[in-house]
Amino acid sequence: GAVVSQHPSRVICKSGTSVKIECRSLDFQATTMFWYRQFPKQSLMLMATSNEGSKATYEQGVEKDKFLINHASLTLSTLTVTSAHPEDSSFYICSARDLGRGRAGELFFGEGSRLTVL
Amino acid sequence: EDQVTQSPEALRLQEGESSSLNCSYTVSGLRGLFWYRQDPGKGPEFLFTLYSAGEEKEKERLKATLTKKESFLHITAPKPEDSATYLCAVQGGQAGTALIFGKGTTLSVSS
Repeated sequence: GAVVSQHPSRVICKSGTSVKIECRSLDFQATTMFWYRQFPKQSLMLMATSNEGSKATYEQGVEKDKFLINHASLTLSTLTVTSAHPEDSSFYICSARDLGRGRAGELFFGEGSRLTVL
Repeated sequence: EDQVTQSPEALRLQEGESSSLNCSYTVSGLRGLFWYRQDPGKGPEFLFTLYSAGEEKEKERLKATLTKKESFLHITAPKPEDSATYLCAVQGGQAGTALIFGKGTTLSVSS
């Protein structure tokens, strides 16, 4: 079936550094990808919608200058957490919709990336 | 405001003890209701999509149903491997094509 791959699965970094997370759709093209963040025992919260070839759309309260999103191709979106701080530590999950599946298109999720900022 | 509420937050069952998980939603213009399974430290795994009231879908021991205000995930004769967090999400309203998630129900099945 359709697969969405994320890398890295875990990353530990020092406060003030930047971290890049990649999200790839492996066997389908995705013009739109979504980035979510999940804190322990909390729901997935949508951060931004990544659109291939154009600027990402950010949800209210998400700093676009801190969370840089690039969707350079139909199979790759990247999330860069700039100048990371301990409060940015979270589980980041990307998703992509395979429009060839289902009436609304099935939304598949990556395995997630656990970011720990020391 | 678009909202998804799941109950209970946690559910403990004995192996073989059937039960149901609830997902109540308020969204303008529902385009789809989704059920996902999430294991610890993993991304959500797709289970079902329901599009209209009255629709039902089944997969092994799981059956999802949908009304105009809520969805149920019925688990029949659960096994320990069914232990996970089950997430409900809706598509529609102000979120556009993105999904709005509930907080999930954590299911523990003991043998």
